[in-house]
Amino acid sequence: DTAVSQTPKYLVTQMGNDKSIKCEQNLGHDTMYWYKQDSKKFLKIMFSYNNKELIINETVPNRFSPKSPDKAHLNLHINSLELGDSAVYFCASSQALQGQETQYFGPGTRLLVL
Amino acid sequence: GQQVMQIPQYQHVQEGEDFTTYCNSSTTLSNIQWYKQRPGGHPVFLIQLVKSGEVKKQKRLTFQFGEAKKNSSLHITATQTTDVGTYFCAGRRGSTLGRLYFGRGTQLTVWP
Repeated sequence: DTAVSQTPKYLVTQMGNDKSIKCEQNLGHDTMYWYKQDSKKFLKIMFSYNNKELIINETVPNRFSPKSPDKAHLNLHINSLELGDSAVYFCASSQALQGQETQYFGPGTRLLVL
Repeated sequence: GQQVMQIPQYQHVQEGEDFTTYCNSSTTLSNIQWYKQRPGGHPVFLIQLVKSGEVKKQKRLTFQFGEAKKNSSLHITATQTTDVGTYFCAGRRGSTLGRLYFGRGTQLTVWP
């Protein structure tokens, strides 16, 4: 049973295209996140949703738009892809309850923009 | 700017040697977590420290949280090739809805 799943696992696309990455968690958590990991392994938070409400919105180009249709899903849509968007994108989830804030990461989506 | 500093960025050790990675925050943290990411994998939670001066052990791994709750360390005794990966600390300030501030990670290579 996969706790946090992401699709697709790999995404190769041309500059200027629009693409979406999907994330689903079956842990019953109320908080979900998107992280971007660059080639030097730096994990940078992009967005966080709690009960479908946006609570963290880091300095991310507005070409990136998250959408949470329900607590178990958090999708990421990227418009007009640029070379610098190439990275691994991780979805994660956690429960906003003291002592249970462990973040569970999905397997990642490896995005390559050509 | 970077909220949690982590050093070193890279560490290469011979199998059997010890390894330590350090994290430092400019502000007091409510808790700190450690994650391990194997090559090609995703970060996996190792442990959370909450109390000032807390020390926790997991087999060959020892985690410490400083008295001022501003720094933390992970020490691995007698490294094995299975310890290869990137180790991240992540500190939280304030409420449980607050973001985790991830360190840049330490990439550990273990030579057999």
